[in-house]
Amino acid sequence: DAKTTQPPSMDCAEGRAANLPCNHSTISGNEYVYWYRQIHSQGPQYIIHGLKNNETNEMASLIITEDRKSSTLILPHATLRDTAVYYCIVKIIQGAQKLVFGQGTRLTINP
Amino acid sequence: EPEVTQTPSHQVTQMGQEVILRCVPISNHLYFYWYRQILGQKVEFLVSFYNNEISEKSEIFDDQFSVERPDGSNFTLKIRSTKLEDSAMYFCASLGVVQSDEQFFGPGTRLTVL
Repeated sequence: DAKTTQPPSMDCAEGRAANLPCNHSTISGNEYVYWYRQIHSQGPQYIIHGLKNNETNEMASLIITEDRKSSTLILPHATLRDTAVYYCIVKIIQGAQKLVFGQGTRLTINP
Repeated sequence: EPEVTQTPSHQVTQMGQEVILRCVPISNHLYFYWYRQILGQKVEFLVSFYNNEISEKSEIFDDQFSVERPDGSNFTLKIRSTKLEDSAMYFCASLGVVQSDEQFFGPGTRLTVL
């Protein structure tokens, strides 16, 4: 799996958009960008994934650059409950492959 | 909404003892995983399981570890002789189909080895 680089920590004010960057400059053509988060010591939770087009669901938006070397996860209106560690992971979707977690970004939402 | 469940939530054991961590994956899922997270460290893959056999395992998953799906619903992780360094959160996860979007994780079992 290609490696990703994320800032270790970020802060965001409650109600504002939280933009979490991820670099994946060695991503292969058949690799998707996945985002998971882990709230405190709970099990990781899937957020969103994409290949090359921007994606949006009820939780977040994913913006992938045209060269696919980086992406941004956007939480449009962050709440205190969004405080968590956010993981950017690249993997191919075919095959039930393991998730390889890095250190992620610890996002703190401040009131 | 279907969810992965794990029992117990916290297990305390003495070094050298055997422990069995239990997971009930989502009912129609086909792929099962164990991950662990030592306090303050990243989540690490241990093993994946499909069609009643291990499909992949990490270096961590040595002979002290084994997995089983004894009855078609439970998925267990056994540690034969626990060591202090086995203290961690253990997460079970399941996946429905190959092209599925996401692995669903359970809440974890905190294992403390004294």
